[in-house]
Amino acid sequence: GNSVTQMEGPVTLSEEAFLTINCTYTATGYPSLFWYVQYPGEGLQLLLKATKADDKGSNKGFEATYRKETTSFHLEKGSVQVSDSAVYFCALTPNNDMRFGAGTRLTVKP
Amino acid sequence: NAGVTQTPKFQVLKTGQSMTLQCAQDMNHEYMSWYRQDPGMGLRLIHYSVGAGITDQGEVPNGYNVSRSTTEDFPLRLLSAAPSQTSVYFCASRAGTPGDGYTFGSGTRLTVV
Repeated sequence: GNSVTQMEGPVTLSEEAFLTINCTYTATGYPSLFWYVQYPGEGLQLLLKATKADDKGSNKGFEATYRKETTSFHLEKGSVQVSDSAVYFCALTPNNDMRFGAGTRLTVKP
Repeated sequence: NAGVTQTPKFQVLKTGQSMTLQCAQDMNHEYMSWYRQDPGMGLRLIHYSVGAGITDQGEVPNGYNVSRSTTEDFPLRLLSAAPSQTSVYFCASRAGTPGDGYTFGSGTRLTVV
């Protein structure tokens, strides 16, 4: 079946620290991969995506590379800000059924 | 530019009551879906629709009904609410292909007592 496993949180970092949130997946075929972000009290917002192997998605300083050989799509940011505090979800969709990871809560302290 | 609009934002139901969560989008998206979000479990797909008149079950459909009479609207009905249905419900839509990504509504927080 199709599933996503992402690192458990919570993750607490100081401002300007380097961020990595691990995400691995299991899928049949060639899924598209996504990172979504959820700020308190809001719905999920698409952060970045990649639709084929070796693609790199990027947005707002965040990056993730679609690695088919390791079935991974790790989220990275070189220097986090307090405003990046949120819950981050990795997701995949090979078809009409988008599957989400459990979410990783990030807190960035000044 | 409303995107996906969900109503109500909050709701408290008694066990056994029924209600409908509303979802409307103004982007002419063919695909719409309902998810529930529970702590530590991410989002789980309840039902989805690939166009008006077409619906299908997702991962956790029991206790919920949907219909899609128009492209814009995709209501979710709870037939007889149970405490296990206490959750945050999100409606989402997308255009075209699965690789396009979803637009989410702001959610409905439902408590069943």
